[in-house]
Amino acid sequence: DAGITQSPRHKVTETGTPVTLRCHQTENHRYMYWYRQDPGHGLRLIHYSYGVKDTDKGEVSDGYSVSRSKTEDFLLTLESATSSQTSVYFCAISEGNKEAETQYFGPGTRLLVL
Amino acid sequence: GDSVTQMEGPVTLSEEAFLTINCTYTATGYPSLFWYVQYPGEGLQLLLKATKADDKGSNKGFEATYRKETTSFHLEKGSVQVSDSAVYFCALSARWYGGSQGNLIFGKGTKLSVKP
Repeated sequence: DAGITQSPRHKVTETGTPVTLRCHQTENHRYMYWYRQDPGHGLRLIHYSYGVKDTDKGEVSDGYSVSRSKTEDFLLTLESATSSQTSVYFCAISEGNKEAETQYFGPGTRLLVL
Repeated sequence: GDSVTQMEGPVTLSEEAFLTINCTYTATGYPSLFWYVQYPGEGLQLLLKATKADDKGSNKGFEATYRKETTSFHLEKGSVQVSDSAVYFCALSARWYGGSQGNLIFGKGTKLSVKP
């Protein structure tokens, strides 16, 4: 358990509405990540952060933005949700040195966009 | 680009059977390799990892050996239990000359069902 919580755990929203998912960690990890999980695709990186106010795009970043104003919180925002963003979203942190770093995942947020 | 290919499921086995889930990768640099497990309704848990060629990762009776010559990291267990029923993901973390790109590349996952 790497001390990662995600909120909300489940959300149903309508197309066109903004949605913000929160990832919270308690162990002062520098690197944080947002992935989405879809059947047939495994997990794919949306955005990641390498420090407060330092973020970068991942493989599937279109339609998403992130913010990290303090070390413990990494927010993922869907500015205008679409049905294609229905997915399970996982936050992760990275632990260890560069030669042996390992990612640990939160419990996930299940998002349904109607 | 970097990629991971793992055998497609679902895989159905009887309790105490031998398990192999194949995983191969392509990567530039010197990747670390991982197996994660996802039980129904839960997040991903690290099962085992290997950080360099010929390393063997092991945990809970599962093991996998980092084979650079065949670019493989196959997951094995000698005797599966009903409680091993889950989805298994192979992943790599690409590194460039000692640095880290910072993200994992995942296979699509293999669902394992073990029957009593």
